[in-house]
Amino acid sequence: NAGVTQTPKFQVLKTGQSMTLQCAQDMNHEYMSWYRQDPGMGLRLIHYSVGAGITDQGEVPNGYNVSRSTTEDFPLRLLSAAPSQTSVYFCASRNDRALFFGSGTQLSVL
Amino acid sequence: EDQVTQSPEALRLQEGESSSLNCSYTVSGLRGLFWYRQDPGKGPEFLFTLYSAGEEKEKERLKATLTKKESFLHITAPKPEDSATYLCAVQAAGTASKLTFGTGTRLQVTL
Repeated sequence: NAGVTQTPKFQVLKTGQSMTLQCAQDMNHEYMSWYRQDPGMGLRLIHYSVGAGITDQGEVPNGYNVSRSTTEDFPLRLLSAAPSQTSVYFCASRNDRALFFGSGTQLSVL
Repeated sequence: EDQVTQSPEALRLQEGESSSLNCSYTVSGLRGLFWYRQDPGKGPEFLFTLYSAGEEKEKERLKATLTKKESFLHITAPKPEDSATYLCAVQAAGTASKLTFGTGTRLQVTL
């Protein structure tokens, strides 16, 4: 049981480039979400999904897209990266007890 | 708007020196309060969920308590391996599992 798996662990982008952060979970959780973590700030919700085919915006959705075609996968897309998107990104899935996080992707946008 | 404030920002303890971390919150109808541990370069690791005032949960040297305005994470006789950042989060009723996080308390336990 791997839990929540994120790839890549590190990524450097140039301003304007696009990329997809991958997230997969093997716990059959309906709820999945993406957070970003910045120094001096709490984790902030970007997008979330309550099941396949259903997504919604969180607190800081601008510049990010998501889709949920399967229960297992919830990729996060940056369409045109900006330096303000330099951050550590965490994917998480939830059962009825708590939210469980992946190990994170450290993204730098130059 | 839901808010979570954690104090202190940083805490340095000697091994065996017990202390408490504070999490003050304002939320429109608490559905759950969560404690996580985060090690450098890792994702947050779930510790406890508390649902109502008066509830307590324990795990090894950690004990979490909850009142209507705050939660405490008590650390009894800490060891160096307890060094980490401890995060508190709340979920408001009717928010589809959206958690609001505090900025954390960075704990260092020395020999």
